[in-house]
Amino acid sequence: GEQVEQLPSILRVQEGSSASINCTYENSASNYFPWYKQEPGENPKLIIDIRSNMERKQTQGLIVLLDKKAKRFSLHITDTQPGDSAMYFCAASGDNNAGAKLTFGGGTRLTVRP
Amino acid sequence: DPKIIQKPKYLVAVTGSEKILICEQYLGHNAMYWYRQSAKKPLEFMFSYSYQKLMDNQTASSRFQPQSSKKNHLDLQITALKPDDSATYFCASSQDGWGAGQYFGPGTRLTVL
Repeated sequence: GEQVEQLPSILRVQEGSSASINCTYENSASNYFPWYKQEPGENPKLIIDIRSNMERKQTQGLIVLLDKKAKRFSLHITDTQPGDSAMYFCAASGDNNAGAKLTFGGGTRLTVRP
Repeated sequence: DPKIIQKPKYLVAVTGSEKILICEQYLGHNAMYWYRQSAKKPLEFMFSYSYQKLMDNQTASSRFQPQSSKKNHLDLQITALKPDDSATYFCASSQDGWGAGQYFGPGTRLTVL
């Protein structure tokens, strides 16, 4: 199976600065890497994803990098705002079968201080 | 309008009882999933269905049984409930079954006393 490690588990940054979260995976066959944001009492919401045929993807202040050789991917939030405070989860999926599961990292609790 | 509906939002059950968690999606997706989230395990895959067929089952216990009566429905029956089953159960769906673009429902928070 797949295992995904996520660091750090807790991250505190000042408003306007950048925040970076790193994940590593074990299965070299993994080919899809989404990121989810979860606010207290809410469901996880897909914020950005990247496939293995890309090394970088950017959208609305979010950057995802993928290093397949190192089996590592990361989320970078630029110009953080208090509204970015939440739990963030990375995940990996790689089975080329229908109904492929997502294996999640342990989560990062991000706090953006005003 | 919510595109993935889960019922009920909150559920309290006694040990040994049986409950059914309901999930319906109106995204036109072909694959549906169940995940569980608790303090012990943040987000844990349970089942996946594609075109109403079971694709993957990662639950060790037969007490958990998914039921798909229609393509856009995937209910979860839990029997002989235990306090350890207390968690939030999320239903998710995706357009195809390749795991991509999974969208989560609002969840059912289950407490077993």
